[in-house]
Amino acid sequence: AQSVAQPEDQVNVAEGNPLTVKCTYSVSGNPYLFWYVQYPNRGLQFLLKYITGDNLVKGSYGFEAEFNKSQTSFHLKKPSALVSDSALYFCAVRDPGTYKYIFGTGTRLKVLA
Amino acid sequence: DAGVTQSPTHLIKTRGQQVTLRCSPISGHKSVSWYQQVLGQGPQFIFQYYEKEERGRGNFPDRFSARQFPNYSSELNVNALLLGDSALYLCASTDVGQGAGNTIYFGEGSWLTVV
Repeated sequence: AQSVAQPEDQVNVAEGNPLTVKCTYSVSGNPYLFWYVQYPNRGLQFLLKYITGDNLVKGSYGFEAEFNKSQTSFHLKKPSALVSDSALYFCAVRDPGTYKYIFGTGTRLKVLA
Repeated sequence: DAGVTQSPTHLIKTRGQQVTLRCSPISGHKSVSWYQQVLGQGPQFIFQYYEKEERGRGNFPDRFSARQFPNYSSELNVNALLLGDSALYLCASTDVGQGAGNTIYFGEGSWLTVV
């Protein structure tokens, strides 16, 4: 079965420091991977996706993600964190052959001033 | 352009009642899907509709049903509400014409509380 795992419930980082939010996946065939962000009491906002091509994907708000096939990972990164980046981040994979998206349990990012 | 719009934003229902949630996709998007997000968890897939036909269903009981209209808007119905149905219900739309790597775009959700 297709799945994603976000091993960290919460990540704390100081403002201005680089941040990484981890995601690993298990999928048969080519993975289609996504990152979404959710602010309190809001819906999910799309950040970026990997479909094919360059392993480093750039997205919204300065975020990027690195696809690593050998480690089945798709970690979200940002070179310099902002307090406003504090939110809940979800990794997702599209179930091949369907339009079903499978989400991880989420990682709460807290950027400290 | 407007994003995905959902209504109502908040509602409170009593156990055993029925609820209907509504969704309008992004203009030009023909596919709508519904997700349930329980507090502290990631969204769980409920349904996907494309061109008014159900194209996918998640592991939810038959109390959950949905439909898509000719204008591509959609309704999610939940009958015989249980306390465990309390959640944020998210609608997402996508342009299937973009191919396999479609991005789904979410609305702000409908908060359902069952008491």
